[in-house]
Amino acid sequence: GESVGLHLPTLSVQEGDNSIINCAYSNSASDYFIWYKQESGKGPQFIIDIRSNMDKRQGQRVTVLLNKTVKHLSLQIAATQPGDSAVYFCAENIYGGGFKTIFGAGTRLFVKA
Amino acid sequence: EPEVTQTPSHQVTQMGQEVILRCVPISNHLYFYWYRQILGQKVEFLVSFYNNEISEKSEIFDDQFSVERPDGSNFTLKIRSTKLEDSAMYFCARTAVMNTEAFFGQGTRLTVV
Repeated sequence: GESVGLHLPTLSVQEGDNSIINCAYSNSASDYFIWYKQESGKGPQFIIDIRSNMDKRQGQRVTVLLNKTVKHLSLQIAATQPGDSAVYFCAENIYGGGFKTIFGAGTRLFVKA
Repeated sequence: EPEVTQTPSHQVTQMGQEVILRCVPISNHLYFYWYRQILGQKVEFLVSFYNNEISEKSEIFDDQFSVERPDGSNFTLKIRSTKLEDSAMYFCARTAVMNTEAFFGQGTRLTVV
């Protein structure tokens, strides 16, 4: 079904440490996943994406891992900075006449200086 | 890539009144979307719009909602008779092609009193 969910509602990390945000999905047919960052008062901002034919993708300080066997997605942020403080959503695109993005519940990341 | 521009940034309306939310995407993009986010909750899909037609809509998008692109540039969301529960952030989004990452506007905060 259409279900993308997050394991933890909040995550607090020390500045400079690595952050890992986890996400589970239920639709085994999903083939495209996206991580969005949402700062207070702003719209979701694309961070990184991954398609189902890959299990890892790296960007600048961010890495997304996809485990299709257990339907699990994670976002890793290296050397977390205060500017990384935000709500992070995992999302999947699904098709039902047109493509739409289904968002998970979100994890709030707090970065302690 | 540049974001879409949404107006107004905040609108307060009386229950039962009609509201029109506007979005100005990049003119050569064909795929547009409306999402909403009730305070503190996840982002929810409302409707997708392609080639001047609705391609998919969610259960939230009932007869009180409509979308159009009247002049080939502005993309509007109309709520005919607002209810208190329509209070939320409304985000317009665009994608360059199907099944890729979406780029969101800054949102319109709708408050129904």
